[in-house]
Amino acid sequence: GENVEQHPSTLSVQEGDSAVIKCTYSDSASNYFPWYKQELGKRPQLIIDIRSNVGEKKDQRIAVTLNKTAKHFSLHITETQPEDSAVYFCAASMKTDKLIFGTGTRLQVFP
Amino acid sequence: EAGVAQSPRYKIIEKRQSVAFWCNPISGHATLYWYQQILGQGPKLLIQFQNNGVVDDSQLPKDRFSAERLKGVDSTLKIQPAKLEDSAVYLCASSLDLVTDTQYFGPGTRLTVL
Repeated sequence: GENVEQHPSTLSVQEGDSAVIKCTYSDSASNYFPWYKQELGKRPQLIIDIRSNVGEKKDQRIAVTLNKTAKHFSLHITETQPEDSAVYFCAASMKTDKLIFGTGTRLQVFP
Repeated sequence: EAGVAQSPRYKIIEKRQSVAFWCNPISGHATLYWYQQILGQGPKLLIQFQNNGVVDDSQLPKDRFSAERLKGVDSTLKIQPAKLEDSAVYLCASSLDLVTDTQYFGPGTRLTVL
């Protein structure tokens, strides 16, 4: 079955710097890769997703890149702000299969 | 648009007791998921419903966990009897149809088993 590894487990950056979180997946048939943000004590919320027919997707300060050959995808946050502080989860799935989540990255943005 | 509703928000029980959680998905969403999120980990799927049918329950500990979605709308997840290791947040999510449609999560139920 699918396995998703996520790195780093914690990430501290200064406000205004960029943050990059990386995930690798095992099943080459996976074709859907969402990223969720979870603030302390709150529900996971989708921030961006990418499907296997594109290599990059951008939404304001957030971008995701996908390398199907290497089976990894990354989340890029530019111009980080304190409100970006949260735990970020990547996930992967095939069209008819369950979402498999990574172990999470705790991002801290210091003012 | 109303979100996914869950109740209760918090529950404390002793081991070997029973507990039930309720979820009301977003109106019109055919697919409903129950996830278990242990502290410091990502959500793990327990069971997935498509309307009132089970699509995937491969990771549901069926000796103690059960779930139903009788009318294809609301769902309940039950644990009987609870063990210490069941302490976690139980998240319900729903999506329009497919796994690859955006999944919207409810606020979760934080279960503590003493």
